[in-house]
Amino acid sequence: EPEVTQTPSHQVTQMGQEVILRCVPISNHLYFYWYRQILGQKVEFLVSFYNNEISEKSEIFDDQFSVERPDGSNFTLKIRSTKLEDSAMYFCASIREGTPDTQYFGPGTRLTVL
Amino acid sequence: QQQVKQSPQSLIVQKGGIPIINCAYENTAFDYFPWYQQFPGKGPALLIAIRPDVSEKKEGRFTISFNKSAKQFSLHIMDSQPGDSATYFCAASRGGKLIFGQGTELSVKP
Repeated sequence: EPEVTQTPSHQVTQMGQEVILRCVPISNHLYFYWYRQILGQKVEFLVSFYNNEISEKSEIFDDQFSVERPDGSNFTLKIRSTKLEDSAMYFCASIREGTPDTQYFGPGTRLTVL
Repeated sequence: QQQVKQSPQSLIVQKGGIPIINCAYENTAFDYFPWYQQFPGKGPALLIAIRPDVSEKKEGRFTISFNKSAKQFSLHIMDSQPGDSATYFCAASRGGKLIFGQGTELSVKP
């Protein structure tokens, strides 16, 4: 069964550094999402992306964050200048057109900002 | 209001028991209510979902009960097994974006 994949599984970075988290959604999926989960807390929506543009973003998704689909398969989340509070699990999710609600989540990237 | 409130925070049952997890929402525009199961170090996996035009949905040992007038829905796990030990999240959405509850850590004792 096709799966959403994410790389790396764990990223450690210094505060102020830029990080790029990568996702490969399922191939026929057209809607893409990023969520984050701070340790022990609920999963929070960050941004949705459709037709090569952001369709919705949360208040968490400030100017430090950006998303891109650079090559038609990868979907990336960039954090320009990481802060300690950005430490979290970041999940990518995708939806197939025609089943607008069923989101398939990737395994996540654990980001640790030191 | 975009919140989804989930209870209890944690739950311990014996094997074969029927854990029940409850969620409440405020926004009547939500039209899709999924439950996700998450094991440590893994992403959330869709377990079962319901729309507000039905009051109950059953898939295997998992049942969602939905009360539209009360704006509440719950997950029941029949004949629970130790392998069901995980964190369960309810969520609500309209148009794709999922709003998650706080999560319930379920432990099923052998």
